[in-house]
Amino acid sequence: DGGITQSPKYLFRKEGQNVTLSCEQNLNHDAMYWYRQDPGQGLRLIYYSQIVNDFQKGDIAEGYSVSREKKESFPLTVTSAQKNPTAFYLCASSDTGNRYGYTFGSGTRLTVV
Amino acid sequence: AQKITQTQPGMFVQEKEAVTLDCTYDTSDPSYGLFWYKQPSSGEMIFLIYQGSYDQQNATEGRYSLNFQKARKSANLVISASQLGDSAMYFCAMRELNSGNTPLVFGKGTRLSVIA
Repeated sequence: DGGITQSPKYLFRKEGQNVTLSCEQNLNHDAMYWYRQDPGQGLRLIYYSQIVNDFQKGDIAEGYSVSREKKESFPLTVTSAQKNPTAFYLCASSDTGNRYGYTFGSGTRLTVV
Repeated sequence: AQKITQTQPGMFVQEKEAVTLDCTYDTSDPSYGLFWYKQPSSGEMIFLIYQGSYDQQNATEGRYSLNFQKARKSANLVISASQLGDSAMYFCAMRELNSGNTPLVFGKGTRLSVIA
């Protein structure tokens, strides 16, 4: 079945460490997105990519980095420069048909310990 | 710039009653799409309903309907005959359609609690 896989589901990080969240899709979608969710804040856009080897910053890109070397994969690295990384991270993808918006992954909950 | 506003942080509704979740939006693009998603405590995002800016009729999907008032820039979600399983976070979102795969912009959400 087609879909988006995010891994791991739960992730713990020590302060000062970089950590990479995985996002893989087999839907042949061109565009992929990363959102951060905090209580009471809704979903805020971190980075997005509309095509392989290209990506754009979203509203809260500071302290994060991404790559898009393959159509299927869009990993997010949370760097030590991100001062408050504890949050729920959602990956999504979409194709040129806009009617149904996104297909979402199941999310990764990152906790700094 | 696009903006979505959900003014109700939390709502309560009695089981089997109808409930309306408010959403207002702002955009300068005449072509846009409006979406509602449900997020249960598991964290998954479930697509509920879509309304295009040029759609002549309000969208409906089962117990969900979208009360689209274009002049007021409002896109309220109506859930009829509420069920206990409707308890969740609900997010309104929009996307401008003239620029390809532009990102969805989300509101802050409304937490709905259905009471037996």
